[in-house]
Amino acid sequence: NAGVTQTPKFRILKIGQSMTLQCTQDMNHNYMYWYRQDPGMGLKLIYYSVGAGITDKGEVPNGYNVSRSTTEDFPLRLELAAPSQTSVYFCASTSAGANYGYTFGSGTRLTVV
Amino acid sequence: GNSVTQMEGPVTLSEEAFLTINCTYTATGYPSLFWYVQYPGEGLQLLLKATKADDKGSNKGFEATYRKETTSFHLEKGSVQVSDSAVYFCALRDGTGGGNKLTFGTGTQLKVEL
Repeated sequence: NAGVTQTPKFRILKIGQSMTLQCTQDMNHNYMYWYRQDPGMGLKLIYYSVGAGITDKGEVPNGYNVSRSTTEDFPLRLELAAPSQTSVYFCASTSAGANYGYTFGSGTRLTVV
Repeated sequence: GNSVTQMEGPVTLSEEAFLTINCTYTATGYPSLFWYVQYPGEGLQLLLKATKADDKGSNKGFEATYRKETTSFHLEKGSVQVSDSAVYFCALRDGTGGGNKLTFGTGTQLKVEL
């Protein structure tokens, strides 16, 4: 009963490098999300997906890309990392319907130096 | 657009004290409301929810009532414990926007001391 699994847990990148944050869920949820959490700023939505093959931008999509080739996986790609992307990244998923809350992963702490 | 406003933290209380964390919202439709809790180094966990006006969500001694007239969803607990120390997030989900997206408040840090 893994829920939402994120890898890696920690990562240090140099400016200009690229990386992919992995997210997998085993609950057969249609909806998946990527948020970033900055101190005192709450969570900001980066991208989301309502099902395999369908993705859409959130509030802060610049500098990121996503894909959703399967129901289970929703990787987040950072191209040309910048110090402003230093943050904690959370992946989450949910079923359809307004009554359901999200299930969150444990997060990836990314530092860009 | 949708927004959630929470009281500023950190909130520091003695064990067994009464807790209130204020949350007000602005939404275009008829949102569902949530409280999430984040313990150090972990992801967010759903604490409680309410899906329509006058509903009361409750869990682990915490409760919150969906007040449409005051657009509020304040979190309360009668007697806090050291183990309740965490960051609490109020959130709403407006079913009219598509994507079942949550809008979060900025979070309120709670510290409970012996």
